[in-house]
Amino acid sequence: AQSVAQPEDQVNVAEGNPLTVKCTYSVSGNPYLFWYVQYPNRGLQFLLKYITGDNLVKGSYGFEAEFNKSQTSFHLKKPSALVSDSALYFCAVRDMSGGGFKTIFGAGTRLFVKA
Amino acid sequence: DGGITQSPKYLFRKEGQNVTLSCEQNLNHDAMYWYRQDPGQGLRLIYYSQIVNDFQKGDIAEGYSVSREKKESFPLTVTSAQKNPTAFYLCASIDRGTDTQYFGPGTRLTVL
Repeated sequence: AQSVAQPEDQVNVAEGNPLTVKCTYSVSGNPYLFWYVQYPNRGLQFLLKYITGDNLVKGSYGFEAEFNKSQTSFHLKKPSALVSDSALYFCAVRDMSGGGFKTIFGAGTRLFVKA
Repeated sequence: DGGITQSPKYLFRKEGQNVTLSCEQNLNHDAMYWYRQDPGQGLRLIYYSQIVNDFQKGDIAEGYSVSREKKESFPLTVTSAQKNPTAFYLCASIDRGTDTQYFGPGTRLTVL
């Protein structure tokens, strides 16, 4: 069965420091992986995705993620954090069985960036 | 929040009442979804529709119902059979060309 794990409920980082939000996955076949961000009382916003190609994926707002097949990980990174990056981050994998219409989300990681 | 609108933003319901949450999209997407979000549990799939006049149960469909009479609209009814309906409800659609999922702003339902 497809699954996604975000091992950290919360990540704290100082503004200007690099940040990493971790994600590991379990899929059968090639993974379709995504990161979304959610601000309070809002819907989720798409950040980036990996389907095929270069293992380093660049996305919105200066975020990037590295696909590591051997470690089944897709960690979200940013070289220099901003206070405005504070939000809830979700990793997700597309369940490609049955036509790929379902997406499985991790439990979310809350990022706090301190000024 | 893309081209997906949800209404109302906040909804209060008395126990035993059915309520309907609206979801409309102008993105011309075929597939639409309803998720429930509870603190610490991520998003759980309630129902999804791949095309007009067709829908399938997700992981937590009990106590919910949907319809898909138009491509643009995918309303969700929370029935009195749903024992713990207080949650944040998110509607979404998928652009099959880019495999990107777009979300509405959500409806927060509170049962009094």
